[in-house]
Amino acid sequence: QLQLQESGPGLVKSSETLSLICTVSGGSISNSNYYWGWIRQPPGKGLEWLGIIYYSGPTYYNPSLKGRVTISVDTSKNQFSLKLNSVTAADTAVYYCARRRGDGTWFDPWGQGTLVTVSS
Amino acid sequence: QSVLTQPPSVSGAPGQRVTISCTGTSSNIGAGYDVHWYQQFPGTVPKLLIYGNNNRPSGVPDRFSGSKSGTSASLAIAGLQAEDEADYYCQSYDSSLSGGVFGGGTQLTVL
Repeated sequence: QLQLQESGPGLVKSSETLSLICTVSGGSISNSNYYWGWIRQPPGKGLEWLGIIYYSGPTYYNPSLKGRVTISVDTSKNQFSLKLNSVTAADTAVYYCARRRGDGTWFDPWGQGTLVTVSS
Repeated sequence: QSVLTQPPSVSGAPGQRVTISCTGTSSNIGAGYDVHWYQQFPGTVPKLLIYGNNNRPSGVPDRFSGSKSGTSASLAIAGLQAEDEADYYCQSYDSSLSGGVFGGGTQLTVL
């Protein structure tokens, strides 16, 4: 059964770069049927689509992040990562990684999520 | 402000049927893109509830159903149970944003 697990610092200073890794187990990130994505949820608020990546590299980002986001993939480690630079308190959220089908746009399964707090 | 609009809250008594709406625009739902629904209990990971407008993943009770018409979609829950009390989110694709979009979420209260 496919599982995803986020990892990375739980505390990031304002103006610095948030970096998270999602490790995929129970399946290959190079499976051509899927994309891999990041979603976040600020405390007490709704879900926000951040972006997706295909194993061979094409990426799609939420334009509201104004170029601050980068998603990359490391097929040798079966991992993909998220970098969000110039963070502010508004970037404090639970960050989830998830799998998205290539022939559909839904996410399933999701990782457990990791809370990242931006401190001043 | 979410691209897809959902009511902040809905409620219903046990056994009743409730619906949660998800309103979009001509660049997402109205353009024909599929709508998906997620269920999230407090402190837990969102769970896929409906995909492709009206398809249930294995294990999801048939009390849950989805529909789509024009620029809107709906999630219906029949035979409401106390365990259905959760937050529900819709999701689609938006061509003007070239990416996925979520609704703001609806909190369901079982009276």
